[in-house]
Amino acid sequence: AQKVTQAQTEISVVEKEDVTLDCVYETRDTTYYLFWYKQPPSGELVFLIRRNSFDEQNEISGRYSWNFQKSTSSFNFTITASQVVDSAVYFCALSEAHGSSNTGKLIFGQGTTLQVKP
Amino acid sequence: GAVVSQHPSRVICKSGTSVKIECRSLDFQATTMFWYRQFPKQSLMLMATSNEGSKATYEQGVEKDKFLINHASLTLSTLTVTSAHPEDSSFYICSATGGGSSYEQYFGPGTRLTVT
Repeated sequence: AQKVTQAQTEISVVEKEDVTLDCVYETRDTTYYLFWYKQPPSGELVFLIRRNSFDEQNEISGRYSWNFQKSTSSFNFTITASQVVDSAVYFCALSEAHGSSNTGKLIFGQGTTLQVKP
Repeated sequence: GAVVSQHPSRVICKSGTSVKIECRSLDFQATTMFWYRQFPKQSLMLMATSNEGSKATYEQGVEKDKFLINHASLTLSTLTVTSAHPEDSSFYICSATGGGSSYEQYFGPGTRLTVT
């Protein structure tokens, strides 16, 4: 069964602190995709990153970085020097690939609400 | 590129009426569209997957007769909430994919439905 767990329901930090959002997933497939999305108060989902299961390289994009570890089935997201504008709900998601039959169905984690205080 | 729109963005309707929500891919052909539902402070739950020209595939527990999905063209899918009740009040989000190896999903801005 596919499952995504974001154990941290809410995190509150002070501006300029670093913060890591955890994501643990379960899947039987060897080929799959992992995603992070940001959902600000407006509700619209903002795509942050997609990683396929064969690419374990960590990625850095500005203040954002992602740590993918297949050995622990984790795909954690770190925001460095957080800012008030980072306040949002962050979702981790999993999409399994079944070759040509994959429809891209996403399984979302419960989400982590990040509050960055000035 | 890859813009998905939803209309309306907000709708208030009376209990017992039906509401139609449109999801459009503006600059690409969407072979597959997905409909999600999100209750306040909760995650997105997939309701159904629709492929152009065929019947939608509903997730377990989602009533097909209540949530009618039509994907008549490669740029438009509609979700009709029939005989809406207050418990149907939610945030409905669609996404679209054009296929290909990445199966990137592009999300619409969402529709907030309030049933009074």
